[in-house]
Amino acid sequence: SQTIHQWPATLVQPVGSPLSLECTVEGTSNPNLYWYRQAAGRGLQLLFYSVGIGQISSEVPQNLSASRPQDRQFILSSKKLLLSDSGFYLCAWIRPPRTEAFFGQGTRLTVV
Amino acid sequence: DQQVKQNSPSLSVQEGRISILNCDYTNSMFDYFLWYKKYPAEGPTFLISISSIKDKNEDGRFTVFLNKSAKHLSLHIVPSQPGDSAVYFCAASSGGFKTIFGAGTRLFVKA
Repeated sequence: SQTIHQWPATLVQPVGSPLSLECTVEGTSNPNLYWYRQAAGRGLQLLFYSVGIGQISSEVPQNLSASRPQDRQFILSSKKLLLSDSGFYLCAWIRPPRTEAFFGQGTRLTVV
Repeated sequence: DQQVKQNSPSLSVQEGRISILNCDYTNSMFDYFLWYKKYPAEGPTFLISISSIKDKNEDGRFTVFLNKSAKHLSLHIVPSQPGDSAVYFCAASSGGFKTIFGAGTRLFVKA
């Protein structure tokens, strides 16, 4: 069966510090991978998606970047965090031609 | 530019009654619509979906209706149960490539 691992579950980081969130998927190959953010009181905002190794599409201009060094690994990064980067970050995968997304447990990031 | 809109931030329903959650979309290229359920501090879980070639899909207590001319879909939960209390996200996809989510509706089912 397919599983998705996302860590850490919670993270408190000072403004200006770097960020690296990792997501890995097991039990499937060639998944489409996604990073979403849920800010307080808001819906899920699509940040990045990737359809293959090294292929990254950015949905919104921001202080974050993403990389896909391996087929089943998706990394969200920042060189210098801002207060506005606080939120609940979710990694998800979709295995075409299916369209339903499977989400990780999320990372609660608080920038202080 | 919100392509998927859930205009009701919250909904309160009595146990045993019907819950109706609504969603509107603007992009006519969307060909697949999905509903997800989310508990606090967890990732959303897939609930039910509907293809744009259909107008209704039913799975147990959950039914999704699609009105393409109005660009509107709804999720019906009958009968509602306290365990259904959660945030429900409407989502839309074009070719399964990327999924756009609405802001969510928090459902409270009162016992």
